[in-house]
Parts: sequence; C-alpha cells; structure tokens
Amino acid sequence: QSALTQPASVSGSPGQSISISCTGTSGDVGKYDRVSWYQQHPGKAPKLIIYEVTERPSGVSNRFSGSKSGNTASLTISGLQAEDEADYYCCSYAGSSKVVFGGGTKLTVL
Amino acid sequence: QVQLVQSGAEVRKPGASVKVSCKASGYTLTTYSIHWVRQAPGQGLEWMGWVKHGNSDTKYSQRFQGRVTFTSDTPASTVCMELSSLTSEDTAVYYCAREGGMINFDYWGQGTLVTVSS
Repeated sequence: QSALTQPASVSGSPGQSISISCTGTSGDVGKYDRVSWYQQHPGKAPKLIIYEVTERPSGVSNRFSGSKSGNTASLTISGLQAEDEADYYCCSYAGSSKVVFGGGTKLTVL
Repeated sequence: QVQLVQSGAEVRKPGASVKVSCKASGYTLTTYSIHWVRQAPGQGLEWMGWVKHGNSDTKYSQRFQGRVTFTSDTPASTVCMELSSLTSEDTAVYYCAREGGMINFDYWGQGTLVTVSS
C-alpha cells in the first residue's frame, strides 16, 4: 500500500488561505469518504482536525475545512495564524481493514 | 476524560523485541478500536495496524506482518504492541490512537520512543 501523496511544504502569510492536497487512488481516497486530517506540532502527538472528508471535531476552528474530488482530498486553512505552523497529514481507509497516511506537509506561516 | 497513556521509552539492540503498552481510561476499551502508528525521526506517520473493538480481532500492515503482535487485556484496559527482530530502521516514536469511528483517530497516546542501537 503506497502512501498518499502530499506536497512536502506549503507556506502563506497571516490572514491568507492555503490548501494542502492529498492524492490517492480509486482504491482509497477515491472510493471511501473516510479521509481524515491531522495537525502535528513538533514533539507532540497528532491532533484530529477533519474527519470523514468534511467534518470538524468539536473544538476545532472553523478556519479548517476539508473537501474531496475524485482521488484527491484537500485541506483548506483560511485566515492563517502563526499557531497553524505545523505538519499536516491526511489519512484514508484503503479497504480490507487497511489504512494509509500521506507523507505529510510542512506548513510555514511567513 | 478520555486518555491513552503509553509506557516509557525503550532502548533495544538489533535483533531484540520490544513491547509497548497503551492504557485507556475515561471510556470502555472494547467499545472503540485501537490503532498503532509509528513515526521515524524526521519522517511521516506510518500505520502499523489495529485491534478491532468488541472481538479484539487484529489487522496488521503488510509491512509488519509476521513481526508485530497486538494484544488486549480488557480488565486492565490496556492494549500492547510487540515488535520483534528489531533493526535500526525501527527506531521511531510509536503511538496508539483510538478510532472514533470511520477511520478517524480522535485520541492519541503521548508516544513511546523506541531506539534500536548496538
């Protein structure tokens, strides 16, 4: 099972919006609406910020949103803030009780 | 409140095995599946497998098949991950994570650093 493809890095200025893509295949991202996104600050455990493609857990800012088109899911962060600087990972169900993560994207807030 | 508390850091020599525990509190262990995810230094997250809720059935990533074993101790609310035949490439932080449903990991342990070095 190959990892989902994410850009290695993205950057944006405070107040701007950025998007991070997550490309899989017709066997994972394209087939199931079980895509989640995680934010990880250095030295910390990952934190769930989006699940089931578009859903936001309680307590997560509405500046975070998710979408999917075909084999590609996307995470959008609007109104960038300094605290958003972190690594972001997508994750998808891949059938047959398997799960796959993306390679991760480092977000830099300029 | 829900918490997953993992055992402490471990150092092992190549060829040895390591066992990491994950103790759940604030909910009943058998009502949610537990997944194991690892992260090598400076690298991304890698899914290792899961222990399914209810029947404690297990599923392992092909990459670790034959080398990893998950066990559950329901009365102790603890799930363990044992990895054998360690090499330096197994040096990583190992996380347990609760699946809140539909493959979303809503609670994570604090991570356990396993260092493999001769």
